Amino acid sequence: DAKTTQPPSMDCAEGRAANLPCNHSTISGNEYVYWYRQIHSQGPQYIIHGLKNNETNEMASLIITEDRKSSTLILPHATLRDTAVYYCIASLGAYGGSQGNLIFGKGTKLSVKP
Amino acid sequence: SAVISQKPSRDICQRGTSLTIQCQVDSQVTMMFWYRQQPGQSLTLIATANQGSEATYESGFVIDKFPISRPNLTFSTLTVSNMSPEDSSIYLCSVKQDEQYFGPGTRLTVT
Repeated sequence: DAKTTQPPSMDCAEGRAANLPCNHSTISGNEYVYWYRQIHSQGPQYIIHGLKNNETNEMASLIITEDRKSSTLILPHATLRDTAVYYCIASLGAYGGSQGNLIFGKGTKLSVKP
Repeated sequence: SAVISQKPSRDICQRGTSLTIQCQVDSQVTMMFWYRQQPGQSLTLIATANQGSEATYESGFVIDKFPISRPNLTFSTLTVSNMSPEDSSIYLCSVKQDEQYFGPGTRLTVT
């Protein structure tokens, strides 16, 4: 799986958009970009994933650059409950079988402040 | 999405003893994983446990220390054997369906 690089920490004001960057310059053509988050003392929670196109769901938006070397997770209106560690992972995903399991880096600790 | 439960949710154990952690899934899944999260650290994959085959361990993890059972498509156990304080971690069960989902974890403290 390709290595990803994320800033160790970020702050965001409550109600504002949180933009979390991720670099994955060695990502291969069949690897997806996955985002998970881990709220304190809980298991990681799936947020969103994408291959080439931008994706949006009820939780977040994922913007992937055209060259696929970086991406940004956007939480449009951050709340205090969004305070968590956010992990960006490049993985073969569901199509990778046992080779597509998730390898976690250190992630970005997002602190949403009132 | 799969709903995963783990037992126990937490435990405090003495060094030299063993603890078996149970993972129950609300649907049948082929692929199941066990992760460890040491204090203040990210998650590390221990092994992949597919039903009907021996578990596959990652580098640094061995079957004698972390034996795994996978008797059916909804259940698995991980045993942490001959524990030492360095085994104090959160142990997480994970399954893959359309996406990969995680259980709530078992917080283990070894004294």
